[in-house]
Amino acid sequence: QQPVQSPQAVILREGEDAVINCSSSKALYSVHWYRQKHGEAPVFLMILLKGGEQKGHEKISASFNEKKQQSSLYLTASQLSYSGTYFCGTESGGNKLTFGGGTRVLVKP
Amino acid sequence: EAQVTQNPRYLITVTGKKLTVTCSQNMNHEYMSWYRQDPGLGLRQIYYSMNVEVTDKGDVPEGYKVSRKEKRNFPLILESPSPNQTSLYFCASSSWTERNTEAFFGQGTRLTVV
Repeated sequence: QQPVQSPQAVILREGEDAVINCSSSKALYSVHWYRQKHGEAPVFLMILLKGGEQKGHEKISASFNEKKQQSSLYLTASQLSYSGTYFCGTESGGNKLTFGGGTRVLVKP
Repeated sequence: EAQVTQNPRYLITVTGKKLTVTCSQNMNHEYMSWYRQDPGLGLRQIYYSMNVEVTDKGDVPEGYKVSRKEKRNFPLILESPSPNQTSLYFCASSSWTERNTEAFFGQGTRLTVV
């Protein structure tokens, strides 16, 4: 079953913060985060494994709460380059990856 | 330079005419996968492979075949394409080891089946 991402879309001013959530109904082994700009291929940001370790990529970080089967992606002090659609991908064992519907992020000057 | 190469980038074909989309990676990754992306449905995994001669179904494998005879290549085969397979396809290559965590997507293949 597809993980649920929220919000579906967010508009930010440069320098503002945002949080994107990814929730699953299944127990999770790992959560992957990707960003895709319009007309381009997805770009891998980070993977989080069971254990709740927070990871970072530029000023983008993420956490993983395995008890709640949920991950959150934090966009801190957003830049124009952060615009795009963010996807979470979840793995519940067996190495199959299931993606959420995506969150569109628009960062305005 | 790390690269995942897909060919062709664009393809228009007719219903029932077998086709192959090639995917090749130069990073010696063990894990490779195929996705399709449709408006409103996001990315859906078709097949994945953990290593040579090891392939498994993703969420939407019907109508597709794959093979992994060599580590670097992971072709996607549509034996009898149908219009509902019109989509944007991505191949990806990944490493999920403790020492090396990375993933790269190919540039995509836009397939139209008429």
